[in-house]
Amino acid sequence: EAGVVQSPRYKIIEKKQPVAFWCNPISGHNTLYWYRQNLGQGPELLIRYENEEAVDDSQLPKDRFSAERLKGVDSTLKIQPAELGDSAVYLCASSLASGQGSPLHFGNGTRLTVT
Amino acid sequence: AQSVTQPDIHITVSEGASLELRCNYSYGATPYLFWYVQSPGQGLQLLLKYFSGDTLVQGIKGFEAEFKRSQSSFNLRKPSVHWSDAAEYFCAVGALNSGYALNFGKGTSLLVTP
Repeated sequence: EAGVVQSPRYKIIEKKQPVAFWCNPISGHNTLYWYRQNLGQGPELLIRYENEEAVDDSQLPKDRFSAERLKGVDSTLKIQPAELGDSAVYLCASSLASGQGSPLHFGNGTRLTVT
Repeated sequence: AQSVTQPDIHITVSEGASLELRCNYSYGATPYLFWYVQSPGQGLQLLLKYFSGDTLVQGIKGFEAEFKRSQSSFNLRKPSVHWSDAAEYFCAVGALNSGYALNFGKGTSLLVTP
């Protein structure tokens, strides 16, 4: 099966500019996650979707971050405006459902550099 | 508060030697435990998982892990390390009361020497 696809792989922008990341989950996976991974750290959850509904966005900085998952498939994560501290790898993951039998499958991530 | 601790930031082992990576967790509910591996520039790949039953679980690439409830630990082991095992290893914990969203440790970087 095809894995989780993310684009772009790399993005370099100046601070205060907007940026968007795209994720295509594994076909049939209802649950989609966005994680942020800072250098030398483990991934931290930003938002979790069940189909098209955001069921956990408590860690998403809502003043500048937004996400959507139209039709419960692809998802986009946006930052506007970007800050220097947003430099990180943004990982998308999907699973069949939120549950013990459903491990997360990760994409290769988008490495964002804000200058 | 829920937390996952990987006490070792870096570990160096010789090729062919045994390996143990430590993971400790603090969760109020029954946890579900995972180990993931991340090679440079890549996403995370699942090595193994524990939900219930036998506390010794086998994973891919010859890895195994043992769940010890009394010690709140889920250590990853491999009897003989190969140079290709050099990577970053992450322990992750999920629980029903968090909607099973995974909480990751900070990772252990494994270096394998000839």
